[in-house]
Amino acid sequence: GAGVSQSPRYKVAKRGQDVALRCDPISGHVSLFWYQQALGQGPEFLTYFQNEAQLDKSGLPSDRFFAERPEGSVSTLKIQRTQQEDSAVYLCASSFIWSVGELFFGEGSRLTVL
Amino acid sequence: DAKTTQPPSMDCAEGRAANLPCNHSTISGNEYVYWYRQIHSQGPQYIIHGLKNNETNEMASLIITEDRKSSTLILPHATLRDTAVYYCIVRVPNSGNTPLVFGKGTRLSVIA
Repeated sequence: GAGVSQSPRYKVAKRGQDVALRCDPISGHVSLFWYQQALGQGPEFLTYFQNEAQLDKSGLPSDRFFAERPEGSVSTLKIQRTQQEDSAVYLCASSFIWSVGELFFGEGSRLTVL
Repeated sequence: DAKTTQPPSMDCAEGRAANLPCNHSTISGNEYVYWYRQIHSQGPQYIIHGLKNNETNEMASLIITEDRKSSTLILPHATLRDTAVYYCIVRVPNSGNTPLVFGKGTRLSVIA
């Protein structure tokens, strides 16, 4: 597809379960960001990759959150031992080189932790 | 923290111009103003950006005051599909991995 693809679109997990959210960026995009968006709030930065290198993970809320992009294309955000406060929409965005230009966002993965 | 201030909500009649204000009084000389919008259940979408000159594209116009402390996004003929949350963001371009920092934005409701 032409845009950023995220899967699953919806995920329901029981508290304590591990979840994995996938992001397929636009082909050739070097930069990849993950954001977390709680209900009624703006997106909040989690982590940033340039190719396979994770250059910034300052926004990850706890060590239960882990992201990887091993081959510099597809990225996975993993949340271990999910808690109710992890319920949110997780957005992925990509761009060629993160400079002046725009970020292209996927539609997000909505996680609900029961 | 977001460096911009926006009204939480606005209404606009369909077919009229929607003027969305943004205050960024602490903007520095090399920071650009970016606008994104987020339609319900979708990811944010880039609209426009500018430094100090007014900008126009097929989606909108961006008017930046001479002192750069505020700006206005103008949707010239709003349609129902323009109902969304609009985010105003300031950022230094070419600044490596500095992410976009979103505030709460303005929820624009276009009314038929």
